[in-house]
Amino acid sequence: DADVTQTPRNRITKTGKRIMLECSQTKGHDRMYWYRQDPGLGLRLIYYSFDVKDINKGEISDGYSVSRQAQAKFSLSLESAIPNQTALYFCATTPKGGPRNTQYFGPGTRLTVL
Amino acid sequence: QKEVEQNSGPLSVPEGAIASLNCTYSDRVSQSFFWYRQYSGKSPELIMSIYSNGDKEDGRFTAQLNKASQYVSLLIRDSQPSDSATYLCAVTSGGYQKVTFGTGTKLQVIP
Repeated sequence: DADVTQTPRNRITKTGKRIMLECSQTKGHDRMYWYRQDPGLGLRLIYYSFDVKDINKGEISDGYSVSRQAQAKFSLSLESAIPNQTALYFCATTPKGGPRNTQYFGPGTRLTVL
Repeated sequence: QKEVEQNSGPLSVPEGAIASLNCTYSDRVSQSFFWYRQYSGKSPELIMSIYSNGDKEDGRFTAQLNKASQYVSLLIRDSQPSDSATYLCAVTSGGYQKVTFGTGTKLQVIP
């Protein structure tokens, strides 16, 4: 079984709809991240969480919110989806510690907002 | 200036050749450097990490770091068609483990 899972894997929705993307991990890592990836723009950090009570904005948090329900679960919400939020979204985890820790990515969610 | 810069490519090399991928970064206090491989539509996967100046070899892959020049590179020896992918450079800095990714270099290995 995959260590980092994301649901759904694909989603098509309409402008103005509320969408939730979910991430679960069995790696026991404390730190979890949400990224979006757009062609030519690379991976950009939306939100990150270092533990259940710690939530931090990344470089592109506007229009998004997150919830860390448990150590293993980190959800990303789009309160009112808009077309420019069409992208590939990745969840990632890393163990607590110094800067040498590798990020482990989930399989991604492809979101299309019409 | 972007924090982590990579040539977007595509970089085309013949099978069996050496592929050389380059990355520059702007934050002088950056601490850790990573190369991820990403196949189209898939998630990034780590292939190399390097933390100190010099070379680090792992199989056909060699990472090179020069902190004075703020430059990190990845060499792939005996390139195979299966190496065709986008290679992301990532740099970690700061006490809170901020990770910044480059936009990636697309590598094409021609059989």
